[in-house]
Amino acid sequence: AQRVTQPEKLLSVFKGAPVELKCNYSYSGSPELFWYVQYSRQRLQLLLRHISRESIKGFTADLNKGETSFHLKKPFAQEEDSAMYYCALKGHGSSNTGKLIFGQGTTLQVKP
Amino acid sequence: ETGVTQSPTHLIKTRGQQVTLRCSSQSGHNTVSWYQQALGQGPQFIFQYYREEENGRGNFPPRFSGLQFPNYSSELNVNALELDDSALYLCASSQGTLRTEAFFGQGTRLTVV
Repeated sequence: AQRVTQPEKLLSVFKGAPVELKCNYSYSGSPELFWYVQYSRQRLQLLLRHISRESIKGFTADLNKGETSFHLKKPFAQEEDSAMYYCALKGHGSSNTGKLIFGQGTTLQVKP
Repeated sequence: ETGVTQSPTHLIKTRGQQVTLRCSSQSGHNTVSWYQQALGQGPQFIFQYYREEENGRGNFPPRFSGLQFPNYSSELNVNALELDDSALYLCASSQGTLRTEAFFGQGTRLTVV
């Protein structure tokens, strides 16, 4: 089964500290993975996707096929990074066509 | 360019009733996906519509149905509402089914009592 696991419901760090939001996936093929973010009172929006190998707002995420992980990292957290973060996997196969499979989400709380 | 809009923003229904939720896709997008997000959970895929046809369905019973119109707006219909249907319903639009950068609406909060 294709699945995404985010083991931490809440991650609390101080401003300036490094951040790592964990994401593990289950998929036997080549995955397409994304990180979505939802700031308070805003809609869910794409933060980054692994195929782009981009850095958005200082965040990066590297796909590790050996560990089936796609952890989101930022070297120095800012208070404005406080939000809910979702890792998502693009579904493949007849029963998964067209969908994004989301993890349960991790709330990042950056304290001043 | 207008974003994805959903209506209504909130509604309360009684168990057994039927509900219709609406979504206007972002300008230029021909694909709409619907997700259910229960409290404390990630969004769960309900189904996707591409050019007015269903293109993929998640693990939801047939009482969840949908439509897409020629202007690519979409409706989600839920019959025989159950208490567990209480959730945030999200609509996402994208251009084509292969480009999965989905743009989400703000959602409709459905409460079933």
